[in-house]
Amino acid sequence: GQQLNQSPQSMFIQEGEDVSMNCTSSSIFNTWLWYKQDPGEGPVLLIALYKAGELTSNGRLTAQFGITRKDSFLNISASIPSDVGIYFCALAGYGGATNKLIFGTGTLLAVQP
Amino acid sequence: GAVVSQHPSWVICKSGTSVKIECRSLDFQATTMFWYRQFPKQSLMLMATSNEGSKATYEQGVEKDKFLINHASLTLSTLTVTSAHPEDSSFYICSAPNAGGIDTQYFGPGTRLTVL
Repeated sequence: GQQLNQSPQSMFIQEGEDVSMNCTSSSIFNTWLWYKQDPGEGPVLLIALYKAGELTSNGRLTAQFGITRKDSFLNISASIPSDVGIYFCALAGYGGATNKLIFGTGTLLAVQP
Repeated sequence: GAVVSQHPSWVICKSGTSVKIECRSLDFQATTMFWYRQFPKQSLMLMATSNEGSKATYEQGVEKDKFLINHASLTLSTLTVTSAHPEDSSFYICSAPNAGGIDTQYFGPGTRLTVL
């Protein structure tokens, strides 16, 4: 089946540091999404990417859709305590359905004030 | 922005009982909704697609007779965990896509189910 690997599994950083995480897919998809999940909540969309090579920013967050269409990365600059949470990449179009998503394994981010 | 609600937010039940979880799109209509299950420290796993007016479609390995899904209206889908057992304890999350596209898919706040 489809594999969506995300790394690192967890990160513990100091406030103000930059963060980078990435996802790789075993297949080609047309849409990469990045979500953040706070404890006990549903995921919230951060960035959506639709074209190979696309680089998109949302405040301190930047994400890129890899040229091969099999990978993506998310960067967070100048981290702050409220960045704490689990970050998931996701692919849209799973099983041929436009809105079906498959999620990555997640990256747990902890920020030390 | 658009909101998806879930009820209850948490539930504790005895083994063998059935539990119903509701997912509502509050200010938009959704002909399709999705149900996910998330075990502690794990990712979201898609369980099934709920279709208004027709049967739900289940992902491989998900028992349709155990996880009953009913999409009663364009704003409501329900997931019933039948004859729940401790291994069914999990965080259940629904999502509903708006008509605007993939980046308008909204997730509910989740329901924490604990089966004793």
